[in-house]
Amino acid sequence: AQSVAQPEDQVNVAEGNPLTVKCTYSVSGNPYLFWYVQYPNRGLQFLLKYITGDNLVKGSYGFEAEFNKSQTSFHLKKPSALVSDSALYFCAVSDSSGSARQLTFGSGTQLTVLP
Amino acid sequence: DGGITQSPKYLFRKEGQNVTLSCEQNLNHDAMYWYRQDPGQGLRLIYYSQIVNDFQKGDIAEGYSVSREKKESFPLTVTSAQKNPTAFYLCASSIGDRKNEKLFFGSGTQLSVL
Repeated sequence: AQSVAQPEDQVNVAEGNPLTVKCTYSVSGNPYLFWYVQYPNRGLQFLLKYITGDNLVKGSYGFEAEFNKSQTSFHLKKPSALVSDSALYFCAVSDSSGSARQLTFGSGTQLTVLP
Repeated sequence: DGGITQSPKYLFRKEGQNVTLSCEQNLNHDAMYWYRQDPGQGLRLIYYSQIVNDFQKGDIAEGYSVSREKKESFPLTVTSAQKNPTAFYLCASSIGDRKNEKLFFGSGTQLSVL
């Protein structure tokens, strides 16, 4: 069975500093990896997706994620955090079908950017 | 959010009562999904539908039912058989083939038990 782990429930970072939200995964075959962001009482918004190719994926709002096959990780990064980046971030993995029906979500990481 | 409307925003259920959560999309997407979100947990798939008049159980379908009579609508009924219904419910739709599928989410419905 596939799984996603987000080891940190909460990440705090000062505005202007780089941020990293960690994610590791387990899946058979080649993974499809996703990051979504959720603002309070709202649905999830797509940030970025890794299918194949470059290990560094660029997404919305200046976010990027680094795929590391040997460490089975897909950490979300941003060079300079903004207060408006404060939200709940979810990592998700799908098997090689890439289908939304096969998505497994992590438990989420609450990011707080301090002014 | 992205043309998906969920209503109501907040819903309260009495014991033994069935309640229905509405999800409407104007994105012309074929596939629609219902997820349940509990604090400290990831989203879990309840039901999904690839086309009108067809739907499939997800990972936690027990105590829930759906219908897909129109492409735009995918209502979720939380039945009295669902003993722990308090959660945040998210509806989503998707576009693209499997390898390029992208999910769009509604703003959610918070269901609580009285």
